[in-house]
Amino acid sequence: EDQVTQSPEALRLQEGESSSLNCSYTVSGLRGLFWYRQDPGKGPEFLFTLYSAGEEKEKERLKATLTKKESFLHITAPKPEDSATYLCAWMDSSYKLIFGSGTRLLVRP
Amino acid sequence: DGGITQSPKYLFRKEGQNVTLSCEQNLNHDAMYWYRQDPGQGLRLIYYSQIVNDFQKGDIAEGYSVSREKKESFPLTVTSAQKNPTAFYLCASSVDRGNYEQYFGPGTRLTVT
Repeated sequence: EDQVTQSPEALRLQEGESSSLNCSYTVSGLRGLFWYRQDPGKGPEFLFTLYSAGEEKEKERLKATLTKKESFLHITAPKPEDSATYLCAWMDSSYKLIFGSGTRLLVRP
Repeated sequence: DGGITQSPKYLFRKEGQNVTLSCEQNLNHDAMYWYRQDPGQGLRLIYYSQIVNDFQKGDIAEGYSVSREKKESFPLTVTSAQKNPTAFYLCASSVDRGNYEQYFGPGTRLTVT
């Protein structure tokens, strides 16, 4: 069964303390990997799409990378406003998105 | 401004009543989706539509129904047959069902008592 696992479930950082979030999968026929940010009570906000191993994309303090079996979201020198739940989703061969359960990030000032 | 709107933001219903959630987009996207989000779980696909007057069941379609009479609109009805309807419902759209990112609306929180 196709499955997406995100780790850790929750992460607390001090402002300026860099870290990485992991998204691994067992999905057949990978077509792409998507990262979203979700604030409490709101819809997910699109961040990145990655299609092939070795690909990297950056946006402000965030950088997403992709290997053959996992993706990382690196957060460099985070600020309190980066606090949110980060969701990853893999697109399978039928173009269906399979979501992980997310990593809840809290950045303390 | 282009985007996806969902209404209402909060919805309360008594058990046994059908309820319809609204989703409208002005992005000129062909594909639209409905997801359900429960605490501690990933988003799960309820229904999707690739073009007007066509829609397909997702992973958890039982107890739900949809229509797609206009490109801009994709309403979801939660019927009394849905055993556990209390959840956060998210509508999304994409250019088409290919390798394109999905953009989400703000969500509707449905509480059934």
